Amino acid sequence: KQEVTQIPAALSVPEGENLVLNCSFTDSAIYNLQWFRQDPGKGLTSLLLIQSSQREQTSGRLNASLDKSSGRSTLYIAASQPGDSATYLCAVTSPRGGSNYKLTFGKGTLLTVNP
Amino acid sequence: DAGVTQSPTHLIKTRGQQVTLRCSPISGHKSVSWYQQVLGQGPQFIFQYYEKEERGRGNFPDRFSARQFPNYSSELNVNALLLGDSALYLCASSLERQYEQYFGPGTRLTVT
Repeated sequence: KQEVTQIPAALSVPEGENLVLNCSFTDSAIYNLQWFRQDPGKGLTSLLLIQSSQREQTSGRLNASLDKSSGRSTLYIAASQPGDSATYLCAVTSPRGGSNYKLTFGKGTLLTVNP
Repeated sequence: DAGVTQSPTHLIKTRGQQVTLRCSPISGHKSVSWYQQVLGQGPQFIFQYYEKEERGRGNFPDRFSARQFPNYSSELNVNALLLGDSALYLCASSLERQYEQYFGPGTRLTVT
């Protein structure tokens, strides 16, 4: 059974700081990995998608890496801004080669960027 | 282009009642999935539909059912509501089942 863990559960940083969010998963047979952002009481916004054959993806100030063999991904946020405050969720699509391409989520990291 | 839409936005029901939630996928997307998110947790997979057929089911009781229509929109039905069914219900669509999933704003269900 796939399990996804996100560390830390919460993070508070001053504006302008670079930061890293961590995600680990137990079964490396994934199809892809997605990072999402969720504002309180809202739906999920897809930030980055990394295919299992890729090592990293970049979008603006965000960079996500994937090490499938070790079951780890990191989301790097450069020059953080108060508007980045939200919960960040990591999810993997698995199993590769299976018939059920469901997303398995971690519990998320609650990020607060202080002005 | 319009994103994934869900209705209603909020819903309050009483224990034992039945509820139907609706989802319209992004135009051209054939796959719709449903997730339940309780406060403080990540979303949990309920169903996946592709080309109007159920292709996956999560660990939820038979009180939960869903269907997909010819226009690829979908409904999630929950019977005999329990207090524990109170959650944010999220719908996601994708071009194919294994591709990037795009989520709607969710339906907040409160069971009293």
